[in-house]
Amino acid sequence: DADVTQTPRNRITKTGKRIMLECSQTKGHDRMYWYRQDPGLGLRLIYYSFDVKDINKGEISDGYSVSRQAQAKFSLSLESAIPNQTALYFCATSDWGPNYGYTFGSGTRLTVV
Amino acid sequence: TQLLEQSPQFLSIQEGENLTVYCNSSSVFSSLQWYRQEPGEGPVLLVTVVTGGEVKKLKRLTFQFGDARKDSSLHITAAQTGDTGLYLCAGANYGGSQGNLIFGKGTKLSVKP
Repeated sequence: DADVTQTPRNRITKTGKRIMLECSQTKGHDRMYWYRQDPGLGLRLIYYSFDVKDINKGEISDGYSVSRQAQAKFSLSLESAIPNQTALYFCATSDWGPNYGYTFGSGTRLTVV
Repeated sequence: TQLLEQSPQFLSIQEGENLTVYCNSSSVFSSLQWYRQEPGEGPVLLVTVVTGGEVKKLKRLTFQFGDARKDSSLHITAAQTGDTGLYLCAGANYGGSQGNLIFGKGTKLSVKP
C-alpha cells in the first residue's frame, strides 16, 4: 500500500456541487497538508494540520474546508464547487520539523464543469 | 513573503548532455529540498540540504546549497530519458511558517533520446 493514499484519483463534478477529497497515510506522522497545483502557479497550500486538534488555513483556503478525522485521515471539501477550482490536488504528510521531507499522495485530478 | 524563483522554467536537452537548474531567493532558509514530479504523480523527495555550502550527490545528480543558505542548484550529469520530469525546490524555516515548506514553481525538464 502507498504511504499516502488519495481518493478519488479523478473526479468530474458540476458547478455548485459539494465534493470531498479524502487522504489517508500510514507514515504515522502528525502533520498533514492539502495543496493544489495549477500550471504556471506551482503548488499552493490550502490547509494544514499539525495534529488532530490543530487546523490552519494556508494561502488559498477560501472556498475550501477540511476535517482531520484521525491522525491518519485528512479530508478536503469544496462546499460549492466552481470551475476555477479545477486543478490537481495533493495531500502530503511530514514528520516534525521542516528539515524532514514531505511524502505526497498521487493526487486527485478534479474538473468542475 | 518568502519566494523561491526557479530557472529555467523549461529545459529540453538530448540524452547525454549535462544541465544545471537553479533555485534562488532573497530569504535565508534553514534547509532546501529538491523534489521530482512525474506526470500524474505526486512530487517525490530527492534530497535535503541543510548546511551552507553543502554538496550532496545522488548518482548523477549533484545538489548544492549556497553559502548564505539563500539559493541552491541541481546539476545532472549525462542526462537520461528517465530524468524527465518537473523538478521542484522547496525552502523550509523553523520560524514563523512553523515548518511549512515554500515551493518554487518548478523546472520542467525534457530529455530526448
